[in-house]
Amino acid sequence: GAGVSQSPSNKVTEKGKDVELRCDPISGHTALYWYRQSLGQGLEFLIYFQGNSAPDKSGLPSDRFSAERTGGSVSTLTIQRTQQEDSAVYLCASSLDPSGSSYEQYFGPGTRLTVT
Amino acid sequence: AQSVTQLGSHVSVSEGALVLLRCNYSSSVPPYLFWYVQYPNQGLQLLLKYTSAATLVKGINDFEAEFKKSETSFHLTKPSAHMSDAAEYFCAVSPQYSGAGSYQLTFGKGTKLSVIP
Repeated sequence: GAGVSQSPSNKVTEKGKDVELRCDPISGHTALYWYRQSLGQGLEFLIYFQGNSAPDKSGLPSDRFSAERTGGSVSTLTIQRTQQEDSAVYLCASSLDPSGSSYEQYFGPGTRLTVT
Repeated sequence: AQSVTQLGSHVSVSEGALVLLRCNYSSSVPPYLFWYVQYPNQGLQLLLKYTSAATLVKGINDFEAEFKKSETSFHLTKPSAHMSDAAEYFCAVSPQYSGAGSYQLTFGKGTKLSVIP
């Protein structure tokens, strides 16, 4: 079946512009995660959605970052007033309910964001 | 709080030799443990996972790992390296399910594996 998809695959933007990154999780997966991968910081958790529960936003690095998940499926990560330090690969993952024995996170190919 | 330490940012092995990638974790609650592989310009692919069943876990491509609670370790091994194993490997930890809370992965810094022909 289809895996996690992300768009765009690459995004170049000017400093100060807003960007939106999209994630389509695997159908039926109730949990969705955003991570950021950068040379200096490695892989960092950003935000977690689980069903209809309030999201865990504890990993968002500043209030310029926000995310939403509409209808329990597609998610959009928005970065406002982008800065050069936002340049990174943004990875999305989805999973079934973490209580199940089949729990594992499936990752998308990522969006490479470059802020000039 | 959880953390993961991967010893060695870069490991080189000869083709056909044993692969050993080290991972130690710190967790205040019982963890789930994972190994992921990342090929250049690709996302993360799960190699294997420990979710509190058998402590010796077998994964794809002949990789395996053993959960050792006393050593807080989850080292990844493969008996014989192939050229196609050259990639970056990440160890990760998440809390076990407890009915509430968040289950994000905390990753190690990664180990880049080179395979010498």
